[in-house]
Amino acid sequence: AQTVTQSQPEMSVQEAETVTLSCTYDTSESNYYLFWYKQPPSRQMILVIRQEAYKQQNATENRFSVNFQKAAKSFSLKISDSQLGDTAMYFCATKNNNDMRFGAGTRLTVKP
Amino acid sequence: DTAVSQTPKYLVTQMGNDKSIKCEQNLGHDTMYWYKQDSKKFLKIMFSYNNKELIINETVPNRFSPKSPDKAHLNLHINSLELGDSAVYFCASSPWGRRTGELFFGEGSRLTVL
Repeated sequence: AQTVTQSQPEMSVQEAETVTLSCTYDTSESNYYLFWYKQPPSRQMILVIRQEAYKQQNATENRFSVNFQKAAKSFSLKISDSQLGDTAMYFCATKNNNDMRFGAGTRLTVKP
Repeated sequence: DTAVSQTPKYLVTQMGNDKSIKCEQNLGHDTMYWYKQDSKKFLKIMFSYNNKELIINETVPNRFSPKSPDKAHLNLHINSLELGDSAVYFCASSPWGRRTGELFFGEGSRLTVL
């Protein structure tokens, strides 16, 4: 099964600044998906952004973008113009053959 | 309309009891999952069903038994509860197939074993 590593247990950023969360993964599959999920204190799991491994172009969703380096098996999340509502746990995940595995998460705090 | 709904949302019980958590999805998905989130927030896959057939069965104690009466429902029954079973249990669903997308999660069920 695939594995996901998030090396930053906690991070903080000032409101309106930019922050990058790191993620590396390992999989033997050639066709897989990558995701970032957000979990606010409400504990609801919310999809932030997704990337299909066969697409070279980095995905972007408004203030959220990824840096996908397939050869390095790296999938970092950049949050621009951070907002207080971005405070949450962020989980990186890989999915193939209907099997989704998560990293340990990064707790992000946005400071006013 | 709630896409993936779990009941109960909170459950407090004594060690040794048996409890169930129910999950229903109205998205028409074929695949459903149970994840366990421990106190350190780590999300671990437990089981996955595709159209009532078990397809993922991780190393989980036999006290945990999933049941899928139809593709819209996936229940989790836990026998002889232990302190270490305290966690948030998430149900999720997704469409079947290689070219699948995200998992849609329920709100989670927080189980506390005393």
